[in-house]
Amino acid sequence: EVQLVESGGGLVQPGGSLRLSCAASGFTVSSNYMTWVRQAPGKGLEWLSVIYNDGSTSYADSVKGRFTISRDNSKNTLYLQMNSLRAEDTAVYYCARFLGNFDYWGQGTLVTVSS
Amino acid sequence: SFVLTQPPSVSVAPGQTASITCGGNNIGSKSVHWYQQKPGQAPVLVVYDDSDRPSGIPERFSGSNSGNTATLAISRVEAGDEADYYCQVWGSSSDHLWVFGGGTKLTVL
Repeated sequence: EVQLVESGGGLVQPGGSLRLSCAASGFTVSSNYMTWVRQAPGKGLEWLSVIYNDGSTSYADSVKGRFTISRDNSKNTLYLQMNSLRAEDTAVYYCARFLGNFDYWGQGTLVTVSS
Repeated sequence: SFVLTQPPSVSVAPGQTASITCGGNNIGSKSVHWYQQKPGQAPVLVVYDDSDRPSGIPERFSGSNSGNTATLAISRVEAGDEADYYCQVWGSSSDHLWVFGGGTKLTVL
């Protein structure tokens, strides 16, 4: 059974950093396109970043230069390192597998950026 | 970047058919995917590649895509179908690889 479990969210001050994790089971992270999608409170879905099976990455303009996607193949886990956080980064962050579409999603982890 | 436009809300009586549209420039040339999201839950794929259903999704959910509009139709609507629905396409530009519509709140009267 495919499962994605995020962790690492919490309250952080503006300008701070946080690292999110997404532990996968039932499939191999490194063989797939893995993405991060977020949802601000009461708002819609926003794609943020992808790491391809070849290890290359891409980012949305809104997070480019501040967020870094990576994976640990030995742990079958996806990460999102978030630096220089802003109030507008407050959201639920989901990891999702992309296989032609976003077919599996984690349950999400809440990040709140506030002083 | 590619823009997808959805109505903010759609209301339908139980047993009727709900139609949720997703507009975009020549969207008919793209593959459209639809997600259902209930409060406090992660999105769930309900239609992919315009009109295919993942296993476990009822046949009541169907999709179509032509010209500048894609449509998700839910027939014989049930109270449990009340949710937000999002369309999604490949955006193509390097900084907006995947694009979501703004979402439509389906209310079952």
